[in-house]
Amino acid sequence: QTVVTQEPSFSVSPGGTVTLTCGLSSGSVSISYYPSWYQQTPGQAPRTLIYSTSTRSSGVPDRFSGSILGNKAALTITGAQADDEADYYCVLYMGSGIWVFGGGTKVTVL
Amino acid sequence: QLQLQESGPRLVKPSETLSLTCTVSGGSISSTSYFWGWIRQPPGKGLEWIGSLYNIGSTYYSPSLKSRVTISVDTSKNQFSLKLTSVTAADTAVYYCASANWDDDYFDHWGQGTLVTVSS
Repeated sequence: QTVVTQEPSFSVSPGGTVTLTCGLSSGSVSISYYPSWYQQTPGQAPRTLIYSTSTRSSGVPDRFSGSILGNKAALTITGAQADDEADYYCVLYMGSGIWVFGGGTKVTVL
Repeated sequence: QLQLQESGPRLVKPSETLSLTCTVSGGSISSTSYFWGWIRQPPGKGLEWIGSLYNIGSTYYSPSLKSRVTISVDTSKNQFSLKLTSVTAADTAVYYCASANWDDDYFDHWGQGTLVTVSS
């Protein structure tokens, strides 16, 4: 079974930069997996941030950026703000109509 | 702008079948531009993809749930549905329906989610 790995938690200072990663239990993440990233705050539905590795969804501030770093997908928050405190989920498209979610990263801004 | 809304019973007894419906507005369920999917989130835990449907007739399921899941569509009502059989307390979760963009393979519109509790 495919497992998508994410760091459980990260802490970042206001104005700081944090990079979250998204890996595969076996193999490397590439653009072929169409990595996407979602932000979720308590009690809310997920919000789409990034799709196709690095394309920002409509209305997403440019302090959020996506990339491939080494063998993982990455989400970087540059100039973190208090309202960036949330859970962040990576999703990989495995092909044939199948997606796998990562376990999520809890980001604390303090 | 697509909008999705989940509906269905909020309480299901163990061993019974969980049934949810997602009503789509602002677009056609018959569109080949989207997959239509279900995702769930147990309380305090992460998101889990359950399955998706494409072009009315093609369905795809999570290997871990495949034996218990059916996703179907009702084009006359512009809805798609989830059935999960033989539920246990582990199936207690917020269930989201979502559309997935066919070109870029990501979830672009989400329902607000509905909490379904499995309990006697």
